[in-house]
Amino acid sequence: NAGVTQTPKFQVLKTGQSMTLQCAQDMNHEYMSWYRQDPGMGLRLIHYSVGAGITDQGEVPNGYNVSRSTTEDFPLRLLSAAPSQTSVYFCASSPDLPPRYEQYFGPGTRLTVT
Amino acid sequence: TQLLEQSPQFLSIQEGENLTVYCNSSSVFSSLQWYRQEPGEGPVLLVTVVTGGEVKKLKRLTFQFGDARKDSSLHITAAQPGDTGLYLCAGAAGSNYQLIWGAGTKLIIKP
Repeated sequence: NAGVTQTPKFQVLKTGQSMTLQCAQDMNHEYMSWYRQDPGMGLRLIHYSVGAGITDQGEVPNGYNVSRSTTEDFPLRLLSAAPSQTSVYFCASSPDLPPRYEQYFGPGTRLTVT
Repeated sequence: TQLLEQSPQFLSIQEGENLTVYCNSSSVFSSLQWYRQEPGEGPVLLVTVVTGGEVKKLKRLTFQFGDARKDSSLHITAAQPGDTGLYLCAGAAGSNYQLIWGAGTKLIIKP
């Protein structure tokens, strides 16, 4: 199993550009999430999905869209990139309902917006 | 607002020493998870504790969940350079899909 994969590994965007961060998992996990990690702030939840066709907002959803057409894939779209979106983005999946809800993370995408 | 405070924020010690890092809150959690993250990689789950007072051991790592389920500690015995990394705790409250994350403890073990 590859686990959770993310592409690209690194990306530089100019303000106003759009792009999609890709995330896929081959563990047949029902639950998937997108986080951003900024220095000293821990992980913050952007969006999450409890199954194909079902998504919901997390703590910091503004400026991001998601969709979940299959169990495996959960792309994150930046509609109009802003410097405040410079961060490291992690996709995660979980086989469990809360409260156990253990997260399996991908390797991350380091995004810089200039 | 639920918060998880981790302490210390940064710890640098010599190989062979023991250490404890803490994860504290004023809120009660249904479960608490510990992760380790190495530079350039995603966090990796170490353990989940779900019962107040629970103690779990993973080789030289000992995890404890407080009796009141508001805090947790991670104790490392005879630290090794391979233990270097960012240690994160995350708490789950009931059926909420949003985990509460601590900001992390950056641990450096010097050979």
